[in-house]
Amino acid sequence: GENVEQHPSTLSVQEGDSAVIKCTYSDSASNYFPWYKQELGKGPQLIIDIRSNVGEKKDQRIAVTLNKTAKHFSLHITETQPEDSAVYFCAAAITGGGNKLTFGTGTQLKVEL
Amino acid sequence: EAGVAQSPRYKIIEKRQSVAFWCNPISGHATLYWYQQILGQGPKLLIQFQNNGVVDDSQLPKDRFSAERLKGVDSTLKIQPAKLEDSAVYLCASNLNGETEAFFGQGTRLTVV
Repeated sequence: GENVEQHPSTLSVQEGDSAVIKCTYSDSASNYFPWYKQELGKGPQLIIDIRSNVGEKKDQRIAVTLNKTAKHFSLHITETQPEDSAVYFCAAAITGGGNKLTFGTGTQLKVEL
Repeated sequence: EAGVAQSPRYKIIEKRQSVAFWCNPISGHATLYWYQQILGQGPKLLIQFQNNGVVDDSQLPKDRFSAERLKGVDSTLKIQPAKLEDSAVYLCASNLNGETEAFFGQGTRLTVV
């Protein structure tokens, strides 16, 4: 089955700096890669996703890149703000296979003032 | 638009007792998932429903876990008997047809003592 690895496990940045979280996946059939933000006591919330026919996608301060050959994808957050502090999860799934998500282990992002 | 509703929010039980969790997905969403999130880890899929039918329960420990979605809307997940290692947050998610983005509920935090 699919295996998703995520790094780093913790990330501390200064407000206004950029943050980058990286994930690798094992199943070449995976073609859908969402990123979720989870705040304490809440369920995961989708912040951006990318499909395998696209190499990069951007939404305001958030961008995701995908390298299908290397089987890795990354989340980039620019101009970080304190409210970006949360746990971020990457995931992989096969559309057409029910979109069953395999999650990474999470990155605790802390944005310091 | 109302989100995915779950109850209860918290539950503490002794080992060998039984417990049930309830989920009401977003209206019109045909696909429903239950995930288990152990502290410090990413969510792990337990079971997927399409309407009232099970699509994938390969990761469900069927000797103690059961789930149903009798009318294709609400779903319940049951554990009987509970073990200490079942302590986790149980997340319910739904999407329109199994191919679109998944929306998560806030989860039920289970503590088995």
